[in-house]
Amino acid sequence: AQKVTQAQTEISVVEKEDVTLDCVYETRDTTYYLFWYKQPPSGELVFLIRRNSFDEQNEISGRYSWNFQKSTSSFNFTITASQVVDSAVYFCALSDGNDMRFGAGTRLTVKP
Amino acid sequence: DTGVSQDPRHKITKRGQNVTFRCDPISEHNRLYWYRQTLGQGPEFLTYFQNEAQLEKSRLLSDRFSAERPKGSFSTLEIQRTEQGDSAMYLCASSRGVENIQYFGAGTRLSVL
Repeated sequence: AQKVTQAQTEISVVEKEDVTLDCVYETRDTTYYLFWYKQPPSGELVFLIRRNSFDEQNEISGRYSWNFQKSTSSFNFTITASQVVDSAVYFCALSDGNDMRFGAGTRLTVKP
Repeated sequence: DTGVSQDPRHKITKRGQNVTFRCDPISEHNRLYWYRQTLGQGPEFLTYFQNEAQLEKSRLLSDRFSAERPKGSFSTLEIQRTEQGDSAMYLCASSRGVENIQYFGAGTRLSVL
């Protein structure tokens, strides 16, 4: 069975701090996909990144970076120099190519 | 706007009534997904279509729920004999199968009184 665990329910930081959101997953599939989505207060889920199970390269996009480690079944997300606009709920998700299993989310609050 | 569109945005109904939601996917996307999200939780998969074929259903999708995607375009999700436990945000997403990146609509918030 597939499972995604986001152990951090809520995180609060002050603007310009770096913050890492943790994601641990479980799957028996050898081919799978990992995702991060952002859900701002408006409610619409916004796609941030997709990684497939064969690509363990870390990725950086502006202030965002992702660390995928198959050895620990983790796909962590770091925001560098956080901004108030980063305040949202962030979801990690796992897919076998068909349905998608989401974690419970981490609510990030960035204070000015 | 070429994003995923859902209608209505909000629906208030009385227990026992039937409700129907509509989702219009991104036009070139052949896959369409339905999820349910309750407060403080991540979205839970309900079902998905590839073109007009419904390929997978979650055990969450009781016999009071039915989804259709005639002609492989828009989709409807119907809930019959609504219960208070059906109150949630119903999300629709679409993807091009090979890319497997799901783009979400703004959702339909259902309140069952």
